[in-house]
Amino acid sequence: NAGVTQTPKFRILKIGQSMTLQCAQDMNHNYMYWYRQDPGMGLKLIYYSVGAGITDKGEVPNGYNVSRSTTEDFPLRLELAAPSQTSVYFCASSPRAGGVTDTQYFGPGTRLTVL
Amino acid sequence: GQQLNQSPQSMFIQEGEDVSMNCTSSSIFNTWLWYKQDPGEGPVLLIALYKAGELTSNGRLTAQFGITRKDSFLNISASIPSDVGIYFCAGPLQNRDDKIIFGKGTRLHILP
Repeated sequence: NAGVTQTPKFRILKIGQSMTLQCAQDMNHNYMYWYRQDPGMGLKLIYYSVGAGITDKGEVPNGYNVSRSTTEDFPLRLELAAPSQTSVYFCASSPRAGGVTDTQYFGPGTRLTVL
Repeated sequence: GQQLNQSPQSMFIQEGEDVSMNCTSSSIFNTWLWYKQDPGEGPVLLIALYKAGELTSNGRLTAQFGITRKDSFLNISASIPSDVGIYFCAGPLQNRDDKIIFGKGTRLHILP
């Protein structure tokens, strides 16, 4: 298994540009998450999904959109990039079995800079 | 809203020393998670705690779920160079298992 993969690893955007951060997992996990990590800070939950076709907002959803058309993929969309969105973005997935909080498996991250 | 407060923010220790860090909240959590993040990588789960008072070990790491359910502690014994990294506590937001929030982390540095 490749686990959780993210592309691209690095990206520089100009203000107002748009882009999609890709996330895929091959573990057949139901739950997927997007976090952002600002320098010296912890992870903030942007959006999450409990299964294909179902998404919900996290702590900091403004400026982002997501979709979950398949179990495997959970792309994050930035429509009008702003400098405040400069961050490292992590995607994660978990199997969500047994009714308890399950281990989240994280991807390697995408480092985004908006200039 | 719910927040997780970690202390200390950073630690500088000698190799071989024991390490203690904690995580507190004004809200009750049903689950406490401890993650470690190595430089340039995503976090990896170290220990999960599900019951108040629970004490769980993973090698040289030991974590405890506080009896008030508003705090948790992580101890590392006999630190080694590969322990360097950021340690995060995490828990389910509003006790919903599908939404996990993280503290700001404790940065562990080991002096040569």
